This record gives sequence, structure tokens and C-alpha cells, in this order.
Amino acid sequence: EPEVTQTPSHQVTQMGQEVILRCVPISNHLYFYWYRQILGQKVEFLVSFYNNEISEKSEIFDDQFSVERPDGSNFTLKIRSTKLEDSAMYFCASSEAGGSGNTIYFGEGSWLTVV
Amino acid sequence: GDSVTQMEGPVTLSEEAFLTINCTYTATGYPSLFWYVQYPGEGLQLLLKATKADDKGSNKGFEATYRKETTSFHLEKGSVQVSDSAVYFCALRKNNQGGKLIFGQGTELSVKP
Repeated sequence: EPEVTQTPSHQVTQMGQEVILRCVPISNHLYFYWYRQILGQKVEFLVSFYNNEISEKSEIFDDQFSVERPDGSNFTLKIRSTKLEDSAMYFCASSEAGGSGNTIYFGEGSWLTVV
Repeated sequence: GDSVTQMEGPVTLSEEAFLTINCTYTATGYPSLFWYVQYPGEGLQLLLKATKADDKGSNKGFEATYRKETTSFHLEKGSVQVSDSAVYFCALRKNNQGGKLIFGQGTELSVKP
């Protein structure tokens, strides 16, 4: 079964450093997402991306965050200057279409630890 | 705004017990409703979904019925197994292009032998 893949699975970074989390969505999917889950808390929406542009973003997704689809297969999340509170599991997800009944498929997550 | 509320966890059951995890939602329009499961150390997996009122989603012995009149989507299973131990997330998705999932806070289930 096709799946969303994410790298790295775990990254430790120093506060203030830039981090890039990488994702390969399912190949025929058109809608891409990033979510995050701080340890023990709910899964929070960060950003959605369609047709090479951001379609929606949350309050969490401030100027330190950016997303990019640099080629036909990868989808990246960049955090420019990491803070301690950015420590979380980051999930990439994709969906074939944007209608409510279409399933959003998640990757295994990238665990980011900021020290 | 739109939101999802789940019953507080953790829930601890003995094997073969009946499971109910309550989920209610607040949303304008006609969202689709989902249950995702997160096993220890893993990502989010779709468990089941329902796209309109009175639909019943089912998978792996789990069921949930979309009740518009009570804005609920409670998850049930008749006989849980130790392998069902996980965190369960209820979520909704609106019918706008690129619509995001809005998650509840998750309910941790622990099944003891």
C-alpha cells in the first residue's frame, strides 16, 4: 500500500539552528499537510499546500516556518531558527483530493528535539 | 470555530471488555468524521470514517455512527484485545478545498490481559 515517508525519524538540534524536515507524499496525491504533536498533547494543524502554494496555515505557522515542494516528489518543512518549544513530533500528510470525504494519510513522523 | 471533544483518558480495560470512546463535534456545514489510531511509537493511521449523517464506519471490529442530531461519533468495540492498546483520535474534515483535519485531544486506551 502506498505510504507517506518522512526523514529524518529523529533529529536533535541546538536552539537557533535551522531544521529541514523532509517528506515524500503518496505519488498521485495533490494536497499536502504538516501537523505537529507536542508530547502528550493533541495533533495540531500547521499548514496545507496545494498547487504549489499554501492554501491555509494556522497561527502556529509563523514567519519562522516555511514549506516547499522543490521537485515533483518531495515536500519540506523548514524551521528557520528553532526554539525549545518547537520540540515535537512533526507529521507530514497527503490527500488525493480536498473534499471532506477523502482520507488524509499520515507519515510515521519526524521527532524534533531542540536543546 | 470548529472543534472536536473526546472523553478524557486514559481508559483501562480488561481483555474482551466492551469499549466506548465518546466524541462530539462542533462544526458548521456537513463535515466528514474520522477516527485515527496511534500505536506506541508509530504514526497516525486511519481506523474508520463516515462522510454523512447516519453513516456507520467500521474496521477491525471497531464501529462509529455519524449522529448529526447529537453531533457525535462515538467509537465502540465489542471485545477489546491487548493489541488495541493505543491512542485514539477523533477528527473532522470540512468540505472546502484542501480542508484540514481538526483533531480531538486523543484518548489513550490500555487493555490488560
